[in-house]
Amino acid sequence: SQQGEEDPQALSIQEGENATMNCSYKTSINNLQWYRQNSGRGLVHLILIRSNEREKHSGRLRVTLDTSKKSSSLLITASRAADTASYFCATHSGNTPLVFGKGTRLSVIA
Amino acid sequence: GAGVSQSPRYKVAKRGQDVALRCDPISGHVSLFWYQQALGQGPEFLTYFQNEAQLDKSGLPSDRFFAERPEGSVSTLKIQRTQQEDSAVYLCASSGGVNTEAFFGQGTRLTVV
Repeated sequence: SQQGEEDPQALSIQEGENATMNCSYKTSINNLQWYRQNSGRGLVHLILIRSNEREKHSGRLRVTLDTSKKSSSLLITASRAADTASYFCATHSGNTPLVFGKGTRLSVIA
Repeated sequence: GAGVSQSPRYKVAKRGQDVALRCDPISGHVSLFWYQQALGQGPEFLTYFQNEAQLDKSGLPSDRFFAERPEGSVSTLKIQRTQQEDSAVYLCASSGGVNTEAFFGQGTRLTVV
């Protein structure tokens, strides 16, 4: 079963624009993580935000977490063609392993 | 090695054949996870080890799936009598703890024909 649900399922933008992806989840969490997956490759960890944090930055990435709404967003600023990938949110609840959503497919057009 | 290593990268099996997929985690990582990813979907949890102990195998889809990590390092996922619905990418990940970031291997793409 999948806890997180990303929105939109697919997103196409021009290089230089910002990309925003959203994730909603169902149960209370310890932390929420975002991963990137290039076609045919493994997942790469981008950022982890704990349940007591509201916002976190890493380079061109900004993640927010609203535990009252059980939602998170990932913002990629000044997108590049190399950002083209699928992006997944994943949640930790209790001592259970990461549960992933279905992902957002981002296409950045040069 | 520097990262999680999985082998083989690609495997084609005839229906009914047994397969074994290998995962070499990052040295020192106590937690090891197996996920199954169908085309266009997110990874689905299969099973989880802490050292050599299999703490959760609730995601294994049938008793044809078996995983082991006998010495708390390398892990093997075995699928017996493969079926076409087993075709997927099998991802292995390791971490220093269950609530920390996970490092994924490149996956094994299994195609059952």
